[in-house]
Amino acid sequence: DVVMTQTPVSLPVSLGGQASISCRSSQSLVHSNGNTYLHWYLQKPGQSPQLLIYRVSNRFSGVPDRFSGSGSGTDFTLKISRVEPEDLGDYYCLQSTHFPRTFGGGTKLELK
Amino acid sequence: QVQLQQSGAELVKPGTSVKLSCKASGYTFTSNHMNWIKQTTGQGLEWIGIINPGSGGTSYNVKFKGKATLTVDKSSSTAFMQLSSLTPEDSAVYYCASGTTSFAYWGQGTLVTVSS
Repeated sequence: DVVMTQTPVSLPVSLGGQASISCRSSQSLVHSNGNTYLHWYLQKPGQSPQLLIYRVSNRFSGVPDRFSGSGSGTDFTLKISRVEPEDLGDYYCLQSTHFPRTFGGGTKLELK
Repeated sequence: QVQLQQSGAELVKPGTSVKLSCKASGYTFTSNHMNWIKQTTGQGLEWIGIINPGSGGTSYNVKFKGKATLTVDKSSSTAFMQLSSLTPEDSAVYYCASGTTSFAYWGQGTLVTVSS
């Protein structure tokens, strides 16, 4: 299975500040069709995960442009600028290039 | 708007089975694959498997083969997951999520508690 390693596990931030989360995969996430299936989710307390970024850098419908994704191969980053209270929660990366699909262990974004 | 409505919480005894449901609305049910995901505090998020509602074709995480069985009822736009031979380690929140690759929409989750 592809192991997805997220860092840090916990990320204290100030409102209005910037946050950066890393996700590294144990093998390349480039599919044979040329696409890279790496996605980012936010799970707010008591809620289901919600899709933020799909295929590395594409914002899902309704996601503010404060969220941006980048990376390639095995190394990916989610950046959040101008952090707002509704951004707090657990962030997960997901790879869907390979079977079985696998998630990162999560990063808790919390107030400093 | 797309909605996935999951069935309610279950308290079940070890050794028994449970069947969870996920009713889709707001889109053509057969146009998107349905995934099932397990969430626990200790193991995080684990992908169980995927079903193509149009063909009924499935793919499972080896870890859950023999544990989970995925089916659909096209007439009611509902996906099902049966969990068998339940043990306390199967206690978790189970989500359905639509999408072949990016899991765009999620149900609200079903809490399954396995206890005697």
